Amino acid sequence: GAVVSQHPSRVICKSGTSVKIECRSLDFQATTMFWYRQFPKKSLMLMATSNEGSKATYEQGVEKDKFLINHASLTLSTLTVTSAHPEDSSFYICSAIPPGASEFFGPGTRLTVL
Amino acid sequence: QKEVEQDPGPLSVPEGAIVSLNCTYSNSAFQYFMWYRQYSRKGPELLMYTYSSGNKEDGRFTAQVDKSSKYISLFIRDSQPSDSATYLCAMSVKGDDKIIFGKGTRLHILP
Repeated sequence: GAVVSQHPSRVICKSGTSVKIECRSLDFQATTMFWYRQFPKKSLMLMATSNEGSKATYEQGVEKDKFLINHASLTLSTLTVTSAHPEDSSFYICSAIPPGASEFFGPGTRLTVL
Repeated sequence: QKEVEQDPGPLSVPEGAIVSLNCTYSNSAFQYFMWYRQYSRKGPELLMYTYSSGNKEDGRFTAQVDKSSKYISLFIRDSQPSDSATYLCAMSVKGDDKIIFGKGTRLHILP
């Protein structure tokens, strides 16, 4: 069955540094992947839609220069949180939709910015 | 066996009926259980969040966890067309950041 993985599962960084999170579709190709952010016991907030070979589409209020998305291949999308600050600390989840199937979510990445 | 199993549906029920959505899981270490509702082209909305076993009620929604059977349910009473969406179960282990999602069940409430 379709599997979406994320790496790392947990990352702690210092304020001002950049952090890269990877999202991979392990057994299918995904021209589109999605990046979500979740606060504790809250809904998943869609941040952006990652498109293979083209620019990502960002939701209103999401800073594209802050959250850089690169969809370099049909199985990999990366989210880079640039110049991270403590308010960026959150749980980031990606997802992808296999052909003819529903959305599959990754296990998430916990980012803690000190 | 996948960690979380959920029938993708679609499940079609008449308006006003009681809806029962279910997930089974294999990891006995799961202690947090969530249900999300996702409308088309929207992010999943957290509906219910329970810890360990038991029932939790919120309005028309009741979440039930049976850890002995590794089975969780979401009941929707007095279902309405606006309840038509995809419902995802999700689980996590205490102290582990990973969330394991089910595939989601597509629900259609017929007026």
